[in-house]
Amino acid sequence: KQEVTQIPAALSVPEGENLVLNCSFTDSAIYNLQWFRQDPGKGLTSLLLIQSSQREQTSGRLNASLDKSSGRSTLYIAASQPGDSATYLCAVRGSSGSARQLTFGSGTQLTVLP
Amino acid sequence: AAGVIQSPRHLIKEKRETATLKCYPIPRHDTVYWYQQGPGQDPQFLISFYEKMQSDKGSIPDRFSAQQFSDYHSELNMSSLELGDSALYFCASSLEFHEQYFGPGTRLTVT
Repeated sequence: KQEVTQIPAALSVPEGENLVLNCSFTDSAIYNLQWFRQDPGKGLTSLLLIQSSQREQTSGRLNASLDKSSGRSTLYIAASQPGDSATYLCAVRGSSGSARQLTFGSGTQLTVLP
Repeated sequence: AAGVIQSPRHLIKEKRETATLKCYPIPRHDTVYWYQQGPGQDPQFLISFYEKMQSDKGSIPDRFSAQQFSDYHSELNMSSLELGDSALYFCASSLEFHEQYFGPGTRLTVT
C-alpha cells in the first residue's frame, strides 16, 4: 500500500526567503505526482503535476522535482510571500489497478511572516 | 474555464439521517473520484467511476453508495449518518485517468 510522507509538518519563514518542502513515497510505481495548495477549510488547488517520466516542472515561483527511483519529490518556492501561507499537499497516483487514485501526504503547513 | 461543480456547498444533518452529495465534472471528463477529508486530516479516497462504471474502491463505508449517470455527473449517497462522517467531501474529475481537477468540496456537518 502506497504511503506518502511530508516533511516538515509545519514551517514558518520570513517573507522573501526561498524554501523547500519535501515529499516521499514508498512505492515508486507511480503514474504522476501532484502538488496542491489548500487554504483553511477550502478546496484543493493544483499547483504542479509531474509525470513519472519527468524530472521537474516549473510554474512561476514554484519548481517541483521528482526522483522516482528514490521515491522523493521536492517543491521549491522562491521569494516567499505572505500570500503563500497555506497547507501544501503532495499526492501520488498509482500506475495501475486499484492504485489509480491519489494518495495524499499529511501536508506541510506553511506560514510566511511579513 | 469550467471547473468541477459540487452541490450543496454546505449541509447539516442529524445522526441517522441520509444525505446526497452531487458532483458535476468538467465537460468531456469521463472519470469522477470522491474523497473525504476529516478535520485536520489529509484527503482519503472513497470511490471512482470511469465511463459510468465503478473503477476503484477505497475506504468507503458500506453505508455509502455512489453512482455516475449518463451525463457523467455523480452522486454520493450517505445513509445512517454518524458524527464521524462530518468532513469535507471532494469530488475530482479527469479525462480517463490523467490529471485530476478538484471541486470546492461539500462541508457535511452531522449533529
